[in-house]
Amino acid sequence: DVQMTQSPSTLSASVGDRVTITCRASQTISIWLAWYQHKPGKAPRLLISRASSLESGVPSRFSGSGSGTEFTLTISSLQPDDFATYYCQQYDSYSLTFGQGTKVEIK
Amino acid sequence: EVQLVESGGGLVRPGGSLRLSCAASGFTFSSNGMSWVRQLPGKGLEWVSAISYSGDSEQYAGSVKGRFTISRDNSKNTLHLQMDSLRVDDTGVYYCTKDPTNRPFDFWGQGTLVTVSS
Repeated sequence: DVQMTQSPSTLSASVGDRVTITCRASQTISIWLAWYQHKPGKAPRLLISRASSLESGVPSRFSGSGSGTEFTLTISSLQPDDFATYYCQQYDSYSLTFGQGTKVEIK
Repeated sequence: EVQLVESGGGLVRPGGSLRLSCAASGFTFSSNGMSWVRQLPGKGLEWVSAISYSGDSEQYAGSVKGRFTISRDNSKNTLHLQMDSLRVDDTGVYYCTKDPTNRPFDFWGQGTLVTVSS
């Protein structure tokens, strides 16, 4: 199975900050990488597919980059609604696997 | 509007069985693969199982292979997960997800809680 490693596990930031989350795959997955936002008690929300394609309705402050084994999610200017846990996920091969998550907290 | 509504969660003893269902609407169910994803308490997301749009192909995570069975009824727009030989570490929230070909999980249900405890 492809192992996905996210860093950091927790991130403390202020409104307006630029935030970057990293995801590393244990083997190459080309661009088959997605990012999700998850808030407690809610359904996870797909933000980005194919490593860098923003889903419809997702604010442009979110962006993704990378290919192969190294990927990043960037929030250019953190907003109050963005405090949540973020997961990367590879869909290159089964078993589909997620990173362990990055909790973005208010500083 | 895409809607995925899970049901069937609850409390069950170790070794017991439970059948989850997911009612889908707002999209062409029979043209889309579907998956179950779970969140264990205090942990992250874990993919559990996937089924092709036609139902003729299934995939399972190693942790549930041989114990869980995914199925679908395209005439009723419904997805199922039969969970047998349940363990305490199967406890968590189970999400039904729309899983299109060559795409990630683009829609999720609200989840149903499964608690395995004696």
